[in-house]
Amino acid sequence: DAGVIQSPRHEVTEMGQEVTLRCKPISGHNSLFWYRQTMMRGLELLIYFNNNVPIDDSGMPEDRFSAKMPNASFSTLKIQPSEPRDSAVYFCASRPLGENQPQHFGDGTRLSIL
Amino acid sequence: AQSVTQLDSHVSVSEGTPVLLRCNYSSSYSPSLFWYVQHPNKGLQLLLKYTSAATLVKGINGFEAEFKKSETSFHLTKPSAHMSDAAEYFCVVSAGGFKTIFGAGTRLFVKA
Repeated sequence: DAGVIQSPRHEVTEMGQEVTLRCKPISGHNSLFWYRQTMMRGLELLIYFNNNVPIDDSGMPEDRFSAKMPNASFSTLKIQPSEPRDSAVYFCASRPLGENQPQHFGDGTRLSIL
Repeated sequence: AQSVTQLDSHVSVSEGTPVLLRCNYSSSYSPSLFWYVQHPNKGLQLLLKYTSAATLVKGINGFEAEFKKSETSFHLTKPSAHMSDAAEYFCVVSAGGFKTIFGAGTRLFVKA
């Protein structure tokens, strides 16, 4: 079966530009998570959704970051305006019903802000 | 509240020797515990999970982990390391509707 699909795999852009990362969760999964991974801070949870509703966005670093989940099969993470310190690998994960089920991760988007 | 501690940031073994990656957890509820592996430029892949069934859990690629409630540990082992096992490994705890908590990771090096 298809796993979590993220696009693009790589993004290089100049600071100040808007960046949109996309995620297609596994069909039937009802929770979706956005993470950021850096060498300095490791894996950080940014936001997660249950049934398309944002539940906890306390990890979103600033107002420049926003996430949406307009339907069960698609989510976006947007950074506007982008800054060099936003450079990281961003992962999307989805999880089936049940809080103790494992999350399934996409291969990530490697973002570089020049 | 819950937490997870991976006791080693780096572990180095020779190919063909046993692997031990240590993980301790804390949870006010009966936890579910997971181990994930991350290879370079890839996402996290589930190796195995414990969800209150058998305390010895077998995963993919010959890995297994034992849940020890008395020691609050969930160490990951493999009898014989292979070069392809070189990666970063994450221990994860989830319980009682709280956030899923990821450990800081252990990087495994395998020497030829």
